[in-house]
Amino acid sequence: SQELEQSPQSLIVQEGKNLTINCTSSKTLYGLYWYKQKYGEGLIFLMMLQKGGEEKSHEKITAKLDEKKQQSSLHITASQPSHAGIYLCGADVGMRFGAGTRLTVKP
Amino acid sequence: DSGVTQTPKHLITATGQRVTLRCSPRSGDLSVYWYQQSLDQGLQFLIQYYNGEERAKGNILERFSAQQFPDLHSELNLSSLELGDSALYFCASRRGGMNTEAFFGQGTRLTVV
Repeated sequence: SQELEQSPQSLIVQEGKNLTINCTSSKTLYGLYWYKQKYGEGLIFLMMLQKGGEEKSHEKITAKLDEKKQQSSLHITASQPSHAGIYLCGADVGMRFGAGTRLTVKP
Repeated sequence: DSGVTQTPKHLITATGQRVTLRCSPRSGDLSVYWYQQSLDQGLQFLIQYYNGEERAKGNILERFSAQQFPDLHSELNLSSLELGDSALYFCASRRGGMNTEAFFGQGTRLTVV
């Protein structure tokens, strides 16, 4: 089955700083989801990437899909405390998820 | 609001008992996925249903079972509960298979005492 590895596992940044979270797949990525989860709550859909090279943005969050590298990255510009939470990537095929990246933004 | 409804939100039960978790997918969504999320654990895929039929199985214990009904809602049955079954259980739904957006419910927090 497809496995997704996220890095880093956790991240602490100062408010206003940029950051990047990576998601690497063990198999070809045909499509990928990004979600955000606040601790103990449901997953909020951020975006879905369907094609290699595709890039999507949602407010200050941008995600890209690199099919050849079997990788996706999620970039947050000028982070805010409201960005804090767990970010999870999930494969379109099989709906399997990475372990998540826990983001803390210090005011 | 994702449009996916899970009930109950919280459940406290004793070891050895049986519980049923319910998921109502978004209107028109045929696929339902169930996940378990334990403390400090990632989202573990349990099982998928599509239009009433089981499509894929993940790390689902034999004590657990699920079904999807003709009205497309789904139920996850957990029996002979153990302390280690305490977790958040999520369902997600999407219209079809690949290339469709998937949305999650708010989860059911199960505590086994």
